Amino acid sequence: GQQLNQSPQSMFIQEGEDVSMNCTSSSIFNTWLWYKQEPGEGPVLLIALYKAGELTSNGRLTAQFGITRKDSFLNISASIPSDVGIYFCAGQTQTGANNLFFGTGTRLTVIP
Amino acid sequence: SQTIHQWPATLVQPVGSPLSLECTVEGTSNPNLYWYRQAAGRGLQLLFYSVGIGQISSEVPQNLSASRPQDRQFILSSKKLLLSDSGFYLCAWSKGSWYGTEAFFGQGTRLTVV
Repeated sequence: GQQLNQSPQSMFIQEGEDVSMNCTSSSIFNTWLWYKQEPGEGPVLLIALYKAGELTSNGRLTAQFGITRKDSFLNISASIPSDVGIYFCAGQTQTGANNLFFGTGTRLTVIP
Repeated sequence: SQTIHQWPATLVQPVGSPLSLECTVEGTSNPNLYWYRQAAGRGLQLLFYSVGIGQISSEVPQNLSASRPQDRQFILSSKKLLLSDSGFYLCAWSKGSWYGTEAFFGQGTRLTVV
């Protein structure tokens, strides 16, 4: 499968700080998705991006679809303890049903 | 609204025993269905996907198999479990179109092979 490079691998931040993570690929994607996974649970979709350059917000979360279509970033503003979890990016190509490729995840820890 | 159910939530099985994990989707028809495995602290590895009843594609060679006996039912099986089969298994669905749609995950099954 295609490789998505997600960074950083982990983050330790103080409550109230902003967070930024990104995902890059050597391939072009038609859709970028951001998921959050809490311990023992399945990933939950946070934001979906469909067009290059698109900037989409969901509450304190903002994500952008890179102009080159090979990258995406996710920002979390004013972090709170419940933001703790693993955040995954996923890129979707247009060919075939096996077309969703995941990054390796960013583990976020928020210190109260 | 669409929902996805996956069970059991946790499972402890001895090496060499069989496995059957089940996943069902409600509120949609002809979904694409997926089985992923997640090793501890790692990303998601696609194991199988299905675009229709009886249509299964395998992404990696392994000790597991998948079946889709009904439109919204996806089963992950093994005849004889290995220690390396331990992990967190996730079922997911997406709308039955080729691109531009999101995948939605079940709650996962934590499998420990002892």
